[in-house]
Amino acid sequence: KQEVTQIPAALSVPEGENLVLNCSFTDSAIYNLQWFRQDPGKGLTSLLLIQSSQREQTSGRLNASLDKSSGRSTLYIAASQPGDSATYLCAVRPLTSGTYKYIFGTGTRLKVLA
Amino acid sequence: DAGITQSPRHKVTETGTPVTLRCHQTENHRYMYWYRQDPGHGLRLIHYSYGVKDTDKGEVSDGYSVSRSKTEDFLLTLESATSSQTSVYFCAISEDGTGAGYTFGSGTRLTVV
Repeated sequence: KQEVTQIPAALSVPEGENLVLNCSFTDSAIYNLQWFRQDPGKGLTSLLLIQSSQREQTSGRLNASLDKSSGRSTLYIAASQPGDSATYLCAVRPLTSGTYKYIFGTGTRLKVLA
Repeated sequence: DAGITQSPRHKVTETGTPVTLRCHQTENHRYMYWYRQDPGHGLRLIHYSYGVKDTDKGEVSDGYSVSRSKTEDFLLTLESATSSQTSVYFCAISEDGTGAGYTFGSGTRLTVV
């Protein structure tokens, strides 16, 4: 059974710092992986989608990498800002699920201090 | 969130009563999903739909049913609400089954007392 883990559960950093959020998954047979952002009381917003054949994706200050063989993905945030404060979730779509579902981690709650 | 709305946003109901949550989209996407989010569990899929009248179960479907009579509407019904169904419910849509364009609604906070 696919399991997705995100460590740490919470992170607090000063503004301007570069940071890395980690995601690990137990089964490398995935179709793709997505990183989402969730603001308090809001839904999730997709940040980056990495297909299983890709190694990384970039969008602005965000860079996500995927190492499928080791079951790891990282989300790199450059020059963090207070507006980046949110919960970040990663989710994998299993290759063998037979459904169009994602398996979500429980997220890393990020606070960027001004 | 643009293109997808959930109603109601908040609801308190009593144990044993039926409850229906509504998800409405204006994107004409084929795929729609219902998730629940609970502390320590992340988001878990309840049911999903891959077209009008085409639905299937997710990993936590017991006690829930869904219907999709129109492309734009996906209804989630708790047949007889229990306290364990107190949660935040999210609807999501996607253009296709690959995950591209995965968009979430703002959620419905349901409390069963």
